[in-house]
Amino acid sequence: KQEVTQIPAALSVPEGENLVLNCSFTDSAIYNLQWFRQDPGKGLTSLLLIQSSQREQTSGRLNASLDKSSGRSTLYIAASQPGDSATYLCAVMSGANSKLTFGKGITLSVRP
Amino acid sequence: NAGVTQTPKFQVLKTGQSMTLQCAQDMNHEYMSWYRQDPGMGLRLIHYSVGAGITDQGEVPNGYNVSRSTTEDFPLRLLSAAPSQTSVYFCATSSTGGTDTQYFGPGTRLTVL
Repeated sequence: KQEVTQIPAALSVPEGENLVLNCSFTDSAIYNLQWFRQDPGKGLTSLLLIQSSQREQTSGRLNASLDKSSGRSTLYIAASQPGDSATYLCAVMSGANSKLTFGKGITLSVRP
Repeated sequence: NAGVTQTPKFQVLKTGQSMTLQCAQDMNHEYMSWYRQDPGMGLRLIHYSVGAGITDQGEVPNGYNVSRSTTEDFPLRLLSAAPSQTSVYFCATSSTGGTDTQYFGPGTRLTVL
């Protein structure tokens, strides 16, 4: 059974800091890995999607990497801003029926 | 283009009542799914559908029914609500086979008393 872990559960950083959010998964036979952002009381917004054949994806100040063999992904946020404060979830698509398994998320707070 | 819509936004039920959570999408996506989100548990898959007329169970299907008669709609039915079904419910869609970007609706917050 696929399990996805995100540690720590919460993170607080000063504005302007570059930061890395980590995600690990137990079964390397994945189709893709996605990073989502969730604001309080809202739905999930897809940030980046990395296919299993790719090593990284970039969008603006965000860069996500994937090391399938070691079961790890990182989300790099450059020059963090208070508007980046949210919960970031990692999810992997795997299995015969393409099921998405989520981590529990990292709640990020960027202090002005 | 509304994307993924869910109704209602909030609902309070009494134990034993039934209700249907609605999910609709206008992106012509084949793959649709329902998740519940609970504190400390993360998001868990309830049911999913790879196209009209085809549904399957996810990780936590007990107490929920689904059907998919059209591409656009994927309702989730609670036949006899229980307090354990108090949660936030999200509908998600993707274009092909579930291997593409997932688009989530805004959620329905359900409380069962």
